[in-house]
Amino acid sequence: SQQGEEDPQALSIQEGENATMNCSYKTSINNLQWYRQNSGRGLVHLILIRSNEREKHSGRLRVTLDTSKKSSSLLITASRAADTASYFCATDHNAGNMLTFGGGTRLMVKP
Amino acid sequence: SQTIHQWPATLVQPVGSPLSLECTVEGTSNPNLYWYRQAAGRGLQLLFYSVGIGQISSEVPQNLSASRPQDRQFILSSKKLLLSDSGFYLCAWSVRRNEKLFFGSGTQLSVL
Repeated sequence: SQQGEEDPQALSIQEGENATMNCSYKTSINNLQWYRQNSGRGLVHLILIRSNEREKHSGRLRVTLDTSKKSSSLLITASRAADTASYFCATDHNAGNMLTFGGGTRLMVKP
Repeated sequence: SQTIHQWPATLVQPVGSPLSLECTVEGTSNPNLYWYRQAAGRGLQLLFYSVGIGQISSEVPQNLSASRPQDRQFILSSKKLLLSDSGFYLCAWSVRRNEKLFFGSGTQLSVL
């Protein structure tokens, strides 16, 4: 499967700590995206990083992409209880297939 | 600004009954439209994709069908629901294919 896979599946941290989630994939990509999903809700787009980019920032979010290792990481700095959600990576592959989502990382930030 | 509406939020249907879920997008023209299904605690599975009116691509063989009767309207249907059709259904749109999807709030479907 070309599907991205997140690691870890679940992560529990204290408020104020940093949270790091990883995504690995198997075949070349055009872009990789990170989404957040609160329980029972739709997904919200966070960041898109293209294959020729190595790092992007958005507020407290930092995404890196290593195409040689076929992996990406999402770092949330100074986490807040409101960051509690599931985080998904989605990969757009060169083969012209549709965007594929991983199984997600469930993040819990304890106040 | 663009918005996406998806309804209903929850639905309980008996096995063998029909299904119709509707999704509409406002504030944009000719959007790419998507239907996804999400099993509990899992990732998203793409069901249907549309680039324009009447143009539907099916990603997986199943008991469901989709239609796009208007530019910003996307409908997911079934003639006879199966137990395995239960799940969380999400509609989404994007300007460019496979980039920056905007999701609706989802429909939790329970088939009993």
